[in-house]
Amino acid sequence: DQQVKQNSPSLSVQEGRISILNCDYTNSMFDYFLWYKKYPAEGPTFLISISSIKDKNEDGRFTVFLNKSAKHLSLHIVPSQPGDSAVYFCAAKGSARQLTFGSGTQLTVLP
Amino acid sequence: GAVVSQHPSRVICKSGTSVKIECRSLDFQATTMFWYRQFPKQSLMLMATSNEGSKATYEQGVEKDKFLINHASLTLSTLTVTSAHPEDSSFYICSARGGRWEGSPLHFGNGTRLTVT
Repeated sequence: DQQVKQNSPSLSVQEGRISILNCDYTNSMFDYFLWYKKYPAEGPTFLISISSIKDKNEDGRFTVFLNKSAKHLSLHIVPSQPGDSAVYFCAAKGSARQLTFGSGTQLTVLP
Repeated sequence: GAVVSQHPSRVICKSGTSVKIECRSLDFQATTMFWYRQFPKQSLMLMATSNEGSKATYEQGVEKDKFLINHASLTLSTLTVTSAHPEDSSFYICSARGGRWEGSPLHFGNGTRLTVT
């Protein structure tokens, strides 16, 4: 049973436009959410996080929104740049010690 | 920032042999490291949590006798795939928490592509 779902395996966006990556979760006990970015042949790198007590967290071009009632979070990248092309994983943490990852979304930013 | 080094990046071995993968935290001490496995186009699946000075905690369905984990120091954890079979071919990634707080972001190694022939 996938507790963290990224239903879009891929997304293509024009350079300069907004990229919106979505993530849904089923476990209401999750209280902390993170986004990781992964380039080919490299490990994921931390991008941005949000606690369940917030509904928005912004860091430069990256903003994460959390809708707890819908159990949905999204990552907005604006403006998108070709260097943003990567696989993006959302992850969630609850009372258990480990993170639960989604399956990832491949973002391609077209120049 | 914190760096996790994983070695080797790629290994090809024959069926029945064992392979050791190392994960080092280069500029911080990691009392806990995590080992993941990733199948193509799938999520990172946690295999086990490696605790310095004690036994690893394995996730359900992961064979502890097949995937041996040793966390001998605060900067080194090793994963040994014993008696490897072709179905063990996968991408293995380690990670370490950059701070004491459980919510601290994980820092990942670059992964090891294991191919068992």
